[in-house]
Amino acid sequence: GQNIDQPTEMTATEGAIVQINCTYQTSGFNGLFWYQQHAGEAPTFLSYNVLDGLEEKGRFSSFLSRSKGYSYLLLKELQMKDSASYLCAALDSNYQLIWGAGTKLIIKP
Amino acid sequence: DVKVTQSSRYLVKRTGEKVFLECVQDMDHENMFWYRQDPGLGLRLIYFSYDVKMKEKGDIPEGYSVSREKKERFSLILESASTNQTSMYLCASSLLERERMETQYFGPGTRLLVL
Repeated sequence: GQNIDQPTEMTATEGAIVQINCTYQTSGFNGLFWYQQHAGEAPTFLSYNVLDGLEEKGRFSSFLSRSKGYSYLLLKELQMKDSASYLCAALDSNYQLIWGAGTKLIIKP
Repeated sequence: DVKVTQSSRYLVKRTGEKVFLECVQDMDHENMFWYRQDPGLGLRLIYFSYDVKMKEKGDIPEGYSVSREKKERFSLILESASTNQTSMYLCASSLLERERMETQYFGPGTRLLVL
C-alpha cells in the first residue's frame, strides 16, 4: 500500500533550527510537496522536490532522496509564527497526492 | 493571487439532512478537489474533477457526491448526513498539467458538525 510517515509532533526553540522528516512508499513517484497549515486555516504550499538534493528558499529548505524514499524540511532561525503543522505529500504514478498526517511544530520562546 | 473560496466556514447539521458545500476558484484551474481532514489522519481525497461535468472518485467517496456544472465551481453533497461525516472539509484547485501535477491551492475549509 501507499504510505507517508512523519512525526506527529516536534518542539523547538525560537531562533533555533529544526528538521522535519518524511518517508514515503508510493506506487511510482512524481515528486514531493511540503505544505504549512496554521491551526484552523488552509494548507499553503511551501516546496516541491522531484530531483535529489536540497532546495533552499529563504529560511526554509527541502531535501529529497528518491533512492531512500526520504525527504526533510529544514526550518532555520525559527520564529513564533512558524508554529504550525507541516504536511508532507508524495505524488504517485497516477499524479495523485498521498498525504501524511502532518507534523505539529511547537515553537517555545 | 489564486483565490479559492468556500461557502461556509462553520456548519451545524442534523443526521439525515442533505448538505451542500460549495467551492469557487477564480484562476481558471481545470482541476478541483474535495478532501476531508481529521485529527491524526492525513488529508483524504473524497472526489476530484479534471473538467466540467467530469468527476472521479477519490479514496473515500462513500456517502458523498459531487457536481461540476461550471469550471469555477465544485460542489460536495452529503445526501444524508451522518455523525461520522463530522470533519473539516477542504476544497483545492490546480492547473492541469500531465507532466507534473501543479501546486494545489486550498480554500479556508468548512468545519462541519453533524448532530
